[in-house]
Amino acid sequence: GQNIDQPTEMTATEGAIVQINCTYQTSGFNGLFWYQQHAGEAPTFLSYNVLDGLEEKGRFSSFLSRSKGYSYLLLKELQMKDSASYLCAVEGDNYGQNFVFGPGTRLSVLP
Amino acid sequence: NAGVTQTPKFRVLKTGQSMTLLCAQDMNHEYMYWYRQDPGMGLRLIHYSVGEGTTAKGEVPDGYNVSRLKKQNFLLGLESAAPSQTSVYFCASSQGLAGNNEQFFGPGTRLTVL
Repeated sequence: GQNIDQPTEMTATEGAIVQINCTYQTSGFNGLFWYQQHAGEAPTFLSYNVLDGLEEKGRFSSFLSRSKGYSYLLLKELQMKDSASYLCAVEGDNYGQNFVFGPGTRLSVLP
Repeated sequence: NAGVTQTPKFRVLKTGQSMTLLCAQDMNHEYMYWYRQDPGMGLRLIHYSVGEGTTAKGEVPDGYNVSRLKKQNFLLGLESAAPSQTSVYFCASSQGLAGNNEQFFGPGTRLTVL
């Protein structure tokens, strides 16, 4: 079967660093995506990893280890506006036809 | 560029009623998707389309039908609504190519079935 696990909730302080983990077991692998979703809004794209290693984009970085079925999203210099749900998604076999989303991690940033 | 739009934004149905949700995209994307999002369960794929005139089942297709008569539009139909279909429905589109197949999401439709 296909399965993606993420922590349900996390709390961090403004200005701090937080790491959100994602583990996956899917049939095939063509990439891993992270999306941000504010309450009541649509998900928006944050990052994409297809090769092992770290991808950095401003305050956000995403890491992938395909052999371990593991990824994390690293958020630095947290801001209050980073309070949102973070969704991990894997694109499996057949490009664009087999996306599996994790349940999401709700991050609360406290002052 | 409007991106991905959805109609309607909110709807309340009675059990057994039917309705159609409309999704439109102006990015010339080949692939389009319909998801439902329920608390604690993440996004689940209902149906998807890899091009005009084609549709395929996703993870949770029962009780829904879809059509893609035009490349820019993807319709989701509920023939006989049930309370279990109360959810937030998101449409998305993507280029469908190898590489970064980022999905662009619409604002969502909040459906309540009484």
